Amino acid sequence: GAVVSQHPSRVICKSGTSVKIECRSLDFQATTMFWYRQFPKQSLMLMATSNEGSKATYEQGVEKDKFLINHASLTLSTLTVTSAHPEDSSFYICSARDQGTSSPLHFGNGTRLTVT
Amino acid sequence: SQKIEQNSEALNIQEGKTATLTCNYTNYSPAYLQWYRQDPGRGPVFLLLIRENEKEKRKERLKVTFDTTLKQSLFHITASQPADSATYLCALPYGGSQGNLIFGKGTKLSVKP
Repeated sequence: GAVVSQHPSRVICKSGTSVKIECRSLDFQATTMFWYRQFPKQSLMLMATSNEGSKATYEQGVEKDKFLINHASLTLSTLTVTSAHPEDSSFYICSARDQGTSSPLHFGNGTRLTVT
Repeated sequence: SQKIEQNSEALNIQEGKTATLTCNYTNYSPAYLQWYRQDPGRGPVFLLLIRENEKEKRKERLKVTFDTTLKQSLFHITASQPADSATYLCALPYGGSQGNLIFGKGTKLSVKP
């Protein structure tokens, strides 16, 4: 089955630094990947849609300059949290599809970001 | 705006019983609905998809119904097992050409032996 790999699984960083999270589709090509964040006991909130070879589409209220997305190849999308602050601490999850737009999403195992 | 609600934050049942989880939505007529399972600290895993012209879908011990009049989906796990304990999320497409999904908050199911 389709596998999405996300790295790192956990990261702790100091306030003001930047953190890069990688999302890879291991056995399929993904022209589109989705980045979500999840707070405890809350639903997944879509942050942005990553498009291979073009700019990402950000959801309302998500700062594109703070959450930089790069989708440089058909198997890799990266999310960089720039100048991280404690309020950015959250669970970040990426996903992708290996078929059409109504097909299931395949999720990575998420990245637990803690900003101290 | 579209709204999706999973009424129960948590559901506790005894092993062997049937678990029934509810997903309601408003201001919306989705072409399909999906259910996912999420374990603590992990990404969601897809379980079932049901389309608007389907009343019911089954997969092993899982059954999903979709009532477009009531704007509701029910997710059933029969003969539940402790290993079924997890958070279950329903998800709907919310527009756009890329098939973005909006997720409910989930229902945390605990199956006691």
